[in-house]
Amino acid sequence: GAVVSQHPSRVICKSGTSVKIECRSLDFQATTMFWYRQFPKQSLMLMATSNEGSKATYEQGVEKDKFLINHASLTLSTLTVTSAHPEDSSFYICSARDGRIYGYTFGSGTRLTVV
Amino acid sequence: AQTVTQSQPEMSVQEAETVTLSCTYDTSENNYYLFWYKQPPSRQMILVIRQEAYKQQNATENRFSVNFQKAAKSFSLKISDSQLGDTAMYFCAFMYNYGQNFVFGPGTRLSVLP
Repeated sequence: GAVVSQHPSRVICKSGTSVKIECRSLDFQATTMFWYRQFPKQSLMLMATSNEGSKATYEQGVEKDKFLINHASLTLSTLTVTSAHPEDSSFYICSARDGRIYGYTFGSGTRLTVV
Repeated sequence: AQTVTQSQPEMSVQEAETVTLSCTYDTSENNYYLFWYKQPPSRQMILVIRQEAYKQQNATENRFSVNFQKAAKSFSLKISDSQLGDTAMYFCAFMYNYGQNFVFGPGTRLSVLP
């Protein structure tokens, strides 16, 4: 089946530093990648949509200069949290349409803790 | 904008029993897609079942079935013969057009008790 490999699964960083999260589609081409954020005991909220070779589209209230998204190839999309602060601590999940009929695949998520 | 509501934050059911999770949504669109996703403690999102709004027949997948009431904008999930492995967060989700993002409800935490 379709697989999206997301790394790292868990990261702790110091306040003010940057963290890069990668989502790689292993057996299909992901022309579009969706990035969601899930705070503890809450639902998944869409942060941004990235399309291969073009700029990402950010949801209202999401700072594009803080959450940098790069989708340079059909198999790799990255989310970089710049100048991270404790309030950025959350669970980040990527999702891509995988080419099956109505098929979507989720990454396994990244738990980010900013200390 | 589409919204999804799940009115039951938590539910519990005895093993082997049947449980129904509720979901309502708000949209002005006529064609769309509805999903139930399961998120176990591992936090991996797992598709449980999907319904296309243009289909009147309710979707079923083994022990999982839905009651799709389009006019009422209701999309409930029935789990039959509940198993301990069904313990998880369940999210109802809406998608306007295939290829777009999901809009998730707040989730229902289901506990299956031995």
